[in-house]
Amino acid sequence: AQSVSQHNHHVILSEAASLELGCNYSYGGTVNLFWYVQYPGQHLQLLLKYFSGDPLVKGIKGFEAEFIKSKFSFNLRKPSVQWSDTAEYFCAVGSTGRRALTFGSGTRLQVQP
Amino acid sequence: GAGVSQTPSNKVTEKGKYVELRCDPISGHTALYWYRQSLGQGPEFLIYFQGTGAADDSGLPNDRFFAVRPEGSVSTLKIQRTERGDSAVYLCASSSTSGGPYNEQFFGPGTRLTVL
Repeated sequence: AQSVSQHNHHVILSEAASLELGCNYSYGGTVNLFWYVQYPGQHLQLLLKYFSGDPLVKGIKGFEAEFIKSKFSFNLRKPSVQWSDTAEYFCAVGSTGRRALTFGSGTRLQVQP
Repeated sequence: GAGVSQTPSNKVTEKGKYVELRCDPISGHTALYWYRQSLGQGPEFLIYFQGTGAADDSGLPNDRFFAVRPEGSVSTLKIQRTERGDSAVYLCASSSTSGGPYNEQFFGPGTRLTVL
């Protein structure tokens, strides 16, 4: 069975600070990895995804994530956060042959102006 | 274009009652998913449809939960004999299945179910 751990439940940063949100997954096979974001009052939307190839993935709004297979990790980063990045961030994993996604419990990011 | 829509947006019911939650996916999307999100948790998979058939219902918690998609478009999630523990936001997502096995799932706004 797959599982996803997000270590930080609530992160508070000032604008222009750098961001790194941790995500570790548990699954022995080939995985597909995702970060979704939910802005206040809005739907979940995809930030970025990793299927194969270059382990450094770039997404929308300046976010990137690095897949480190040996560490079973897929951490999300942004060099300089903005107040508009205030949202909840979810890491998710899928596996070959199973379309359902397994989500982590989410990290609530609060960016102070 | 229109995204995934879900109705109602909020549903309050009493313990023991039956409820139906509706999902209207993005036009042309053959894959449809139901997830449930409890407070402070990430979405939890319930069931996945490919066309009209349930391709994976391993996430349904028990036989009080059932979902249908009779014409391969709109789906209804049905919960019988609701319990207080069923209170959650029920999310629907859809995706295209052309071009690869793992296309982006587009989520709807959810239905917030409260069982009193």
